[in-house]
Amino acid sequence: QSVLTQPPSVSAAPGQKVTISCSGSNSNIGNNYVSWYQQLPGSAPKLLIYDNNKRPSGIPDRFSGSKSGTSAILGITGLQTGDEADYYCGAWDGSLSSVVFGGGTKLTVL
Amino acid sequence: ELQLVESGGGLVQPGGSLRLSCAASGFTFSSYWMHWVRQSPGKGLVWVSRITSDGSSTTYADSVKGRFTISRDNAKNTLYLQMSSLRAEDTAVYYCARVPAAGKGYFDYWGQGTLVTVSS
Repeated sequence: QSVLTQPPSVSAAPGQKVTISCSGSNSNIGNNYVSWYQQLPGSAPKLLIYDNNKRPSGIPDRFSGSKSGTSAILGITGLQTGDEADYYCGAWDGSLSSVVFGGGTKLTVL
Repeated sequence: ELQLVESGGGLVQPGGSLRLSCAASGFTFSSYWMHWVRQSPGKGLVWVSRITSDGSSTTYADSVKGRFTISRDNAKNTLYLQMSSLRAEDTAVYYCARVPAAGKGYFDYWGQGTLVTVSS
C-alpha cells in the first residue's frame, strides 16, 4: 500500500482537461512540498512538477500543480495522445524520513 | 548532457548478492545527494535509499535496512547499491535519481533503470 493515495486511472478525450488527485497526511503533503512525475510506457519517470506548482524547464504550461492542506492535484489541459502515461505524486515524509509516492494513476486519452 | 546510467542488474537466487552501479556524467556529481528508487513489475515507485553528497550520511527504507548499502565514489562519479540477502520481493527495476539540492524531496533526473530479478 502506498503512503499517498491516487486514483488508479483517469481518462478524457483529446483536447480536454483532466485532474489527478493525491491525498496524504500532515507528515508528508501537509508539511512538505509535492512533486509529480510522468512515466511513459517502458521509460523512467520524468519530473513534471516540483515544490507543489513549479515546472522544470521544458515542461509545457499545459501541466499544472496545486496543493491544499494534505491533498494535491495535477492538472493537464489540451490533452494529447502522447500524454498517455502513468503519473505519480511524491513528497518527503517527516515521520518516515523518506520520500513517499502515490500508487500511480494511469491516464488514458480516449 | 546530464546522464545517469545504471548497470549491474540481473538474475540472482534468493539469499544472493548483487551490486548496482550508477555512472553519472554532465554535472558535478560530488555536489549532489543521490537516491535509489525501485519499481516492482507493474507496480508503483518505492524509495529505497539516500546518500549525501560527501557520502557521510545514508538512509534506508525499513524494507532494505541491514541488507542494502548505498555508497558513492566521487572520484569515479559513480553511485552504488550493494544488495545482499536478496528476496523475491526485491525483484524490481532500480533507478538512481538525483535531487537538485541538499534535503530536497524530489528528483530532477533519473537513470533508465536496471532490472533485478530474484528467483531460483
